[in-house]
Amino acid sequence: QKEVEQNSGPLSVPEGAIASLNCTYSDRVSQSFFWYRQYSGKSPELIMSIYSNGDKEDGRFTAQLNKASQYVSLLIRDSQPSDSATYLCAVNEDTGRRALTFGSGTRLQVQP
Amino acid sequence: KAGVTQTPRYLIKTRGQQVTLSCSPISGHRSVSWYQQTPGQGLQFLFEYFSETQRNKGNFPGRFSGRQFSNSRSEMNVSTLELGDSALYLCASSRTGPGETQYFGPGTRLLVL
Repeated sequence: QKEVEQNSGPLSVPEGAIASLNCTYSDRVSQSFFWYRQYSGKSPELIMSIYSNGDKEDGRFTAQLNKASQYVSLLIRDSQPSDSATYLCAVNEDTGRRALTFGSGTRLQVQP
Repeated sequence: KAGVTQTPRYLIKTRGQQVTLSCSPISGHRSVSWYQQTPGQGLQFLFEYFSETQRNKGNFPGRFSGRQFSNSRSEMNVSTLELGDSALYLCASSRTGPGETQYFGPGTRLLVL
């Protein structure tokens, strides 16, 4: 059973701090990795995609991928109360099983 | 460019009934995936369609089915509804498949009484 693991949280950080969200996956052949943000009662919204080892930055967000350790993370710099949401990690193996496997999500709370 | 649209947004049904949900992907996207989201199970893959063909199916009973039309619009059907089918049903589209970025629609919230 392929799995994607996330700490459910809540992860509480003060406004302006760096929030660090982590995700591990079990399938070594995984090739595509995504971070989605989901506000309560809404649908997931894409934040970042990452395909290669290393860091990828987009504004206040940085995704980090380490395929050897089967680990992907999301850093949110200068956290804002509007960042308070559930962050979903999703993984795709790209080798026939054409589906994303999602983690259960980490709930982030940014305290003003 | 318009996003993924889903209809209806909310639905209330009773056990034993059937339901059909509709999804219109982003223009130019040919892959449509369906997911079920519940508090207990999280986001689970139902099936994926590309060019009117189901390419993959998740671990759901045969009561869950879908199809895709030539214009890439997709429908999913749930027959003989059970209380446990109450969930948010999400549709996501991408150009060629889930290996690339998928964009989600607003979802259809189904309540089975």
